[in-house]
Amino acid sequence: DIVMTQSPDSLAVSLGERATINCKSSQSVLYRDNSLDYLAWYQQKPGQPPKLLIYWASTRESGVPDRFSGSGSGTDFTLTISSLQAEDVAVYYCQQYYSPPITFGQGTRLEIK
Amino acid sequence: QLQLQESGPGLVKPSETLSLTCTVSGGSISNSDYYWGWIRQPPGKGLEWIGTIYYSGGTDYNPSLKSRVTISVDTSKNQFSLILNSVTAADTALYYCARGKVVVSGAIWQSWFDPWGQGTLVTVSS
Repeated sequence: DIVMTQSPDSLAVSLGERATINCKSSQSVLYRDNSLDYLAWYQQKPGQPPKLLIYWASTRESGVPDRFSGSGSGTDFTLTISSLQAEDVAVYYCQQYYSPPITFGQGTRLEIK
Repeated sequence: QLQLQESGPGLVKPSETLSLTCTVSGGSISNSDYYWGWIRQPPGKGLEWIGTIYYSGGTDYNPSLKSRVTISVDTSKNQFSLILNSVTAADTALYYCARGKVVVSGAIWQSWFDPWGQGTLVTVSS
């Protein structure tokens, strides 16, 4: 199984500041034939199901604010929130879909400082 | 707008069978561009993929649960279902159903999940 490890486990950032969440996979999720990274990011607010933010490591889902961006390739990925808003308080998960079983990171809790 | 709704018993006794159904509305479960999955989340913990089914009946299961899991689809009712046998307290979780986008990359066909149902809490207890 591909193990997804996120860091940090929790993060406190001031409003308007940048938040950065990391995700590392135990093996590459880059499919060389199409140069795509098989990685997605989700946001889960309390009492709600996960919401898709980003897929193919850096493609923003329709309707997701452009302050959210994804980067990285191979085994190392980053979700960046450029200017933290109060409504961004949530737990964030990465997910690989390169190789079954589909696996998720353990989650990163983002709070306001 | 596609919506998914989980339904089933909220309490199951140890050693018995957990059975859940996901009803899809606002779209057809037979759309060949998508597949359908179950994911669970123990209280206060992270996400675990259980398995996936395509409208034609093809399935893929998490090896950690494969011996106890069956996922089936009923296209006439626009529903798919989860059966988990021989449950223990470790199976207590919020169970989500979700839609996945089919991607075609060699042997890879699964991808991200969107949207998700609201989830249903299943507690395993006597």
